[in-house]
Amino acid sequence: ETGVTQTPRHLVMGMTNKKSLKCEQHLGHNAMYWYKQSAKKPLELMFVYNFKEQTENNSVPSRFSPECPNSSHLFLHLHTLQPEDSALYLCASSLMTATDTQYFGPGTRLTVL
Amino acid sequence: QQQVKQSPQSLIVQKGGISIINCAYENTAFDYFPWYQQFPGKGPALLIAIRPDVSEKKEGRFTISFNKSAKQFSLHIMDSQPGDSATYFCAASSDNQGGKLIFGQGTELSVKP
Repeated sequence: ETGVTQTPRHLVMGMTNKKSLKCEQHLGHNAMYWYKQSAKKPLELMFVYNFKEQTENNSVPSRFSPECPNSSHLFLHLHTLQPEDSALYLCASSLMTATDTQYFGPGTRLTVL
Repeated sequence: QQQVKQSPQSLIVQKGGISIINCAYENTAFDYFPWYQQFPGKGPALLIAIRPDVSEKKEGRFTISFNKSAKQFSLHIMDSQPGDSATYFCAASSDNQGGKLIFGQGTELSVKP
C-alpha cells in the first residue's frame, strides 16, 4: 500500500465502548497528526507527533488518547465518548514539520450513539 | 487572531467559468498559505501553496492571489470543470509558531456541466 491508510473506515460505538483508530503511513515521514473534521467547521488539529514524541495536544479531552509506537504508526484510543464526538477523524503525515506538505488519509467516520 | 475566515461556504459555477474562493486572516506571523482539495470519501490533498514573498502563484488552471497588506488570499480556478467539484480548504501557518496549520471552514464547489 502507498500513502496514508486508516482503519476502520467507519465505526459506530456506544458511549461506554472502548475502540481504537489506526493510521499507517508508507511515506517515510517523521511527523504524524490527528485531525477532527465536523460538518461546516474547520479541520481541528488534535495531536502532533514528531519522531514518535507528542509535540502538540490541542486541549483535547482525555477520552481521546493517542499512541505513536513508531514513526509509521499512529493510534487514537477512544473511551466513554459523547455523541458530539461523532465526526470524521483524519490522520496526516509530513516529512518533518507542519509546513512540509501534509498527506492525509481517507479518514474514519465515527458515530457515537 | 488564529482564525482563518473562508468564503463563500458553497459555490455553484458553470463549466468553463471561473471559481473564486476567498480567505482572510489576522495573524501577521502567518507565512505559509496552502489550499487543500477534498473529494467525498477522501482526505484533503494539497492543491497549491504560496509564501508571502510573492503575490501570485499559478499551477495549471489554479492560481493563488495573495494580498499581504489586506491579509487576504484567494484561489482562482480557471475554466472550471465538473471534475473540480469538491470541497476546498484554505489554511495558514507560521514557521515561528510551530507551523500548526489553521484551516478555514471550507467551500463546497459544484461545477455544473
